[in-house]
Amino acid sequence: DIQMTQSPSSLSASVGDRVTITCRASQSISSYFNWYQQKAGKAPKVLIYAASSLQSGVPSRFSGSGSGTDFTLTISSLQPEDFATYYCQQSYSTPYTFGQGTKLEIK
Amino acid sequence: QVQLVESGGGLVKPGGSLRLSCTASGFTFSDYYLSWIRQAPGKGLEWVSGISSSSSYTNYADSVKGRFTISRDNAKNSLYLQMNTLRAEDTAVYYCARRTASDYYYTMDVWGQGTTVTVSS
Repeated sequence: DIQMTQSPSSLSASVGDRVTITCRASQSISSYFNWYQQKAGKAPKVLIYAASSLQSGVPSRFSGSGSGTDFTLTISSLQPEDFATYYCQQSYSTPYTFGQGTKLEIK
Repeated sequence: QVQLVESGGGLVKPGGSLRLSCTASGFTFSDYYLSWIRQAPGKGLEWVSGISSSSSYTNYADSVKGRFTISRDNAKNSLYLQMNTLRAEDTAVYYCARRTASDYYYTMDVWGQGTTVTVSS
């Protein structure tokens, strides 16, 4: 199975900050990679697919980059509604493994 | 609108069985690969199982292989997860999700609201 390792596991930031979350795959997965946002008590929502493509309806302050084994999610200017937990996921092969999550909290 | 709705969760004793259902609306159900994903209390997401659009192939996580069976009924727009020999570590919210593809890059773009399974004596 492909292991996904996210960092950091938690992050404190302020509204307006630029934030970066990283994820590393245990083997090359090309761009078969997604980012999800999950708010408390809710289902996850896809933000970025194919490593860098913005899902329809997602604000442009979210961006993704990377290919192969190393990937990044950037939020250019944090908004109050962005405080949530973020997960990476590989869709290269089943099982479609997720990272352990990054909890983004208000500083 | 495009929607997935899970049902069938509940409290079950260790060793027991439970069958989850997921009913779809707002899209052509038979066109899509579907998955079950779970989240234990306070933990991250774990992909559990998936099934192709015509049921021609299924996939499972090692943690549930041999105990869980995924199936679907395209005539009823429904996805199922039969869970047998349940363990305490199967306690989780179970989500169904639609897999979509863009240039062969897969993502889970539609999720249900989840149904809670608790395995406890």
